Amino acid sequence: EVQLVESGGGLVQPGRSLRLSCVASGFTFDDYAMHWVRQAPGKGLEWVSGISWNSIIIAYADSVKGRFTMSRDNAKNSLYLEMNSLRAEDTALYYCVKQTVGLSVVVAAAFDHWGQGTPVTVSS
Amino acid sequence: QSVLTQPPSVSGAPGQRVTISCTGSRSNIGAGYDVHWYQQLPGTAPKLLIYGNSNRPSGVPDRFSGSKSGTSASLAITGLQAEDEADYYCQSYDRSLTGSRVFGTGTKVTVL
Repeated sequence: EVQLVESGGGLVQPGRSLRLSCVASGFTFDDYAMHWVRQAPGKGLEWVSGISWNSIIIAYADSVKGRFTMSRDNAKNSLYLEMNSLRAEDTALYYCVKQTVGLSVVVAAAFDHWGQGTPVTVSS
Repeated sequence: QSVLTQPPSVSGAPGQRVTISCTGSRSNIGAGYDVHWYQQLPGTAPKLLIYGNSNRPSGVPDRFSGSKSGTSASLAITGLQAEDEADYYCQSYDRSLTGSRVFGTGTKVTVL
């Protein structure tokens, strides 16, 4: 059974940093590109970032580019999101997401497994 | 980055058919990229409902169907059931930025 378990969320002041983690199990982690998707309270889904199996290609939404850094450690079956210069508008539930097929993010594949999310609140 | 436009809400009585539209642009749906659909029940993570425009993952009832044409896509739910009350999102790839994905604005389906 595929499992994605996020952690690291919490309450943080504007301008500070936070690091999210996601541990994957139940599939061969380095056979797939992975993504982070967020959902602000009462709002829709927003794609945040995606990373290819070998970390060569990492893509970011314009809203987080230059502030967030996505990475992965295939030896630990883990995904990370380093979030710097956090803003109130970054407040959301952050989901770790597996792509259906493909090693690369440069494919129009769907997202077939989602974690339960870790909440991030940016407030003073 | 662009987003895909969906109606905020649709509703129908049990047993009826409802459709949800998803309108994109020439940088995403119109460029030929696949459209996928997700169902999000209250308080839960999204679930893949339709992939590759019209394919259902194992376990998804055939009451759900998808289609795509030009710069738009649609999700149809036939024989609407109470448990279909949820938020639905379309999603595609956007070539404006390498590796970029876009989601629809979301549609709340209400079963009357």
